[in-house]
Amino acid sequence: ETGVTQTPRHLVMGMTNKKSLKCEQHLGHNAMYWYKQSAKKPLELMFVYSLEERVENNSVPSRFSPECPNSSHLFLHLHTLQPEDSALYLCASSQEGPTGELFFGEGSRLTVL
Amino acid sequence: KQEVTQIPAALSVPEGENLVLNCSFTDSAIYNLQWFRQDPGKGLTSLLLIQSSQREQTSGRLNASLDKSSGRSTLYIAASQPGDSATYLCALQGGSNYKLTFGKGTLLTVNP
Repeated sequence: ETGVTQTPRHLVMGMTNKKSLKCEQHLGHNAMYWYKQSAKKPLELMFVYSLEERVENNSVPSRFSPECPNSSHLFLHLHTLQPEDSALYLCASSQEGPTGELFFGEGSRLTVL
Repeated sequence: KQEVTQIPAALSVPEGENLVLNCSFTDSAIYNLQWFRQDPGKGLTSLLLIQSSQREQTSGRLNASLDKSSGRSTLYIAASQPGDSATYLCALQGGSNYKLTFGKGTLLTVNP
């Protein structure tokens, strides 16, 4: 098993659909992250959870809703998305604290029609 | 606000060449700097992490340096191979929050 696993790897959804992205880490880390990667743009931090509490919300629209039920799992719930939300969504984890090395999953490629 | 710039945006070299990728940043108050590799359509793989108190880190054919006073980091790749072809990203951790600031990356192509 890889350290950080994301499912699904590819997702196509209409603007009225509701879907969820899942991330699971097997590294014993206490912090988990969602990043968005769009074409020709730097990675953008969306959310950070540390010890299951949200510690960072980087001005993300409410149509993205994160959930962290425990330190190993992180979800990103999606509803009424826009075509410009199409991107690669990357999950990452690190040891507790802001200076830990980040380990990323393979990403979920989202296309919104 | 921290800004991270990576130059060049793309680089193409013949196999076996030694090369340097550059990363510059505007705010030297950082906790650490991390270099990543990303293959097309894939996630990021951590290559090297340099804490703010360190000057360099080495792993195999890779060597990363950090000069906070000049706001620069370099990633040196020795004896490049076609398998090194990927996008290389640098990211900085600044402040007491968890936010990494990423550059846009350098797309490296190593030709056989």
